[in-house]
Amino acid sequence: DARVTQTPRDKVTEMGQEVTMRCQPILGHNTVFWYRQTMMQGLELLAYFRNRAPLDDSGMPKDRFSAEMPDATLATLKIQPSEPRDSAVYFCASGSLAGGPYNEQFFGPGTRLTVL
Amino acid sequence: AQSVTQLDSHVSVSEGTPVLLRCNYSSSYSPSLFWYVQHPNKGLQLLLKYTSAATLVKGINGFEAEFKKSETSFHLTKPSAHMSDAAEYFCVVTRDDKIIFGKGTRLHILP
Repeated sequence: DARVTQTPRDKVTEMGQEVTMRCQPILGHNTVFWYRQTMMQGLELLAYFRNRAPLDDSGMPKDRFSAEMPDATLATLKIQPSEPRDSAVYFCASGSLAGGPYNEQFFGPGTRLTVL
Repeated sequence: AQSVTQLDSHVSVSEGTPVLLRCNYSSSYSPSLFWYVQHPNKGLQLLLKYTSAATLVKGINGFEAEFKKSETSFHLTKPSAHMSDAAEYFCVVTRDDKIIFGKGTRLHILP
């Protein structure tokens, strides 16, 4: 049963600390997305990659956030330094371009980040 | 520019009655349209998608949506609500390399 995995599932940290969230996309998927969800802002697209290259990261605060895909099986989202306003659930999703520009995105279970 | 508007932030229906969740979009060209569902403390799951084939799209769990170009709408419906349908629903429009999510509609099912 192929699925997107995210680690950690929960993270509590103190303001100023570095946070790294990891995502393993479904094998064979060539598009990876990072989203942030909060009660106030709803679901926001932060960045996405196609074939490991960043395609759009306009939704991501550049001063403290960075997203990378070191290889096809791992995507990372880093926050340095973290701030309380970064508290949110961060979702990773993966998808395939086969058959058209956009197909279904498969979402991971999310990482719940709390910055104190 | 593309945009998507979910007209209701909350919808409450009684179990066994029809469900209507409204979505309007704005796109300069023919978009792809999706509905996703998010159950509490879970990731999003695709319900259905429209990609310029049949205008009436059937999805999982008895949901369907109709693409109406003249009304720029893609409303989600289900003939009979079930308690397990209580969740948040997102309408999504994509075109080229842009992906726009609606703000979401929370569906409440009354016993």
